[in-house]
Amino acid sequence: EDQVTQSPEALRLQEGESSSLNCSYTVSGLRGLFWYRQDPGKGPEFLFTLYSAGEEKEKERLKATLTKKESFLHITAPKPEDSATYLCAVQRAGSARQLTFGSGTQLTVLP
Amino acid sequence: DTEVTQTPKHLVMGMTNKKSLKCEQHMGHRAMYWYKQKAKKPPELMFVYSYEKLSINESVPSRFSPECPNSSLLNLHLHALQPEDSALYLCASSQEKRGKNTEAFFGQGTRLTVV
Repeated sequence: EDQVTQSPEALRLQEGESSSLNCSYTVSGLRGLFWYRQDPGKGPEFLFTLYSAGEEKEKERLKATLTKKESFLHITAPKPEDSATYLCAVQRAGSARQLTFGSGTQLTVLP
Repeated sequence: DTEVTQTPKHLVMGMTNKKSLKCEQHMGHRAMYWYKQKAKKPPELMFVYSYEKLSINESVPSRFSPECPNSSLLNLHLHALQPEDSALYLCASSQEKRGKNTEAFFGQGTRLTVV
């Protein structure tokens, strides 16, 4: 059974204080790993797809990396508007339509 | 355009009511999904349609009835719901072609309250 564990559950940062969120996964044949951002009461917003170990993607203050066992979402010099829940999800090879989500990391960036 | 549109945004219904949630996308995606999300929990998959055919039903109670009238529309018909069915219902869509990115794009959700 696919498993996705995110840590920490909650993270409070001062504005400008860089940090990383972790997503550990166990899946039989990874097809893709996805990062989403979710604001309260809204749908998840797609951020990145990573397909193979060593791959990196960047978008503004966010950078996602992937190894064979985990992914990191690095946040550089965060701003209060980066406050949200960040969700990681995996897709197993041969199961193109099903995502297994982690429980998310709730990030709060204080001004 | 990566927009998935869901209506209504909020819905309050009694346990004897019948209502429908609607979802629309114009990205040419041929896979569409319904997810249920409870507070402070990740989304849980309910149904998947692929090329307008139901391909996955995650053991969802029959009081939830999905429908895919065409490649752009997805409905979720609700009947005789229970208060524990109150949640954020999310629609999503994705590409279905081998080799294409398969990330799912989500709508903003319908906040459902069953009274």
